[in-house]
Amino acid sequence: DAGVIQSPRHEVTEMGQEVTLRCKPISGHDYLFWYRQTMMRGLELLIYFNNNVPIDDSGMPEDRFSAKMPNASFSTLKIQPSEPRDSAVYFCASSSSYGEKLFFGSGTQLSVL
Amino acid sequence: QKEVEQDPGPLSVPEGAIVSLNCTYSNSAFQYFMWYRQYSRKGPELLMYTYSSGNKEDGRFTAQVDKSSKYISLFIRDSQPSDSATYLCAMSRGSNYKLTFGKGTLLTVNP
Repeated sequence: DAGVIQSPRHEVTEMGQEVTLRCKPISGHDYLFWYRQTMMRGLELLIYFNNNVPIDDSGMPEDRFSAKMPNASFSTLKIQPSEPRDSAVYFCASSSSYGEKLFFGSGTQLSVL
Repeated sequence: QKEVEQDPGPLSVPEGAIVSLNCTYSNSAFQYFMWYRQYSRKGPELLMYTYSSGNKEDGRFTAQVDKSSKYISLFIRDSQPSDSATYLCAMSRGSNYKLTFGKGTLLTVNP
C-alpha cells in the first residue's frame, strides 16, 4: 500500500484566496482525520470522519474551514477565504479505529501571504 | 494544566548515547500510549504502542509507562544519526476516544 497520499505538498497563496487540500486514505481504513501542526500549538485535530460521515468538527477553527469526504478514497479540506494565520502544515491521517494507531500522510505546507 | 506535557527540547546527543524522552499527563483515564517519530518535512509515524503500565521493547527502543506517576518514557539505546527527528507522545482512553498528542521533542544525534 502506498500509504496516505496528500496533495499538494506545498501551497503558497495570497490572503483571501480559496485553498483546497486533498487526501487519499489507506484502503480499508474507516477513519480519516485532518490535523494542523504549528510550532506554537503542536498537532491539532480539526475534524474526523467515520465511514465517510463527519463525526466531530469541533476542532475546525472557523466557518472558513470546511471538509468533505464524498467517498471512502478521497477527502478535501477547504479554506475560503484564507488568512495568513492559516499558515501551517496540514496532515491527513487514516486508521482502522478511532483512538489507536494513526497513519499520517506527508502533509501539505500551506503559506498564506 | 495541559492534558499532555512534553519538553520541546531541543535535545542534542553524541552518537551511541542513551536517549531518554518523556511525557507527563493529567488524565488518569488514559490507557493507550504511543510514541510517534516525525522526520523533517514528513508526517508522524507510529514507533511504539503500549497498553496500560509496564515496559515494551523493540530493538533499540524501549517504551515505559508509569500510570501511578502519570509519566511515560521512550529510551533509545546506541542512538544513531538516523534517529534525529521529533518524537511525539500520544495517548487515549481507548479505541473509541481521540488521541491527545504532546507537542514533540526535537532530537539531534551527532555523528
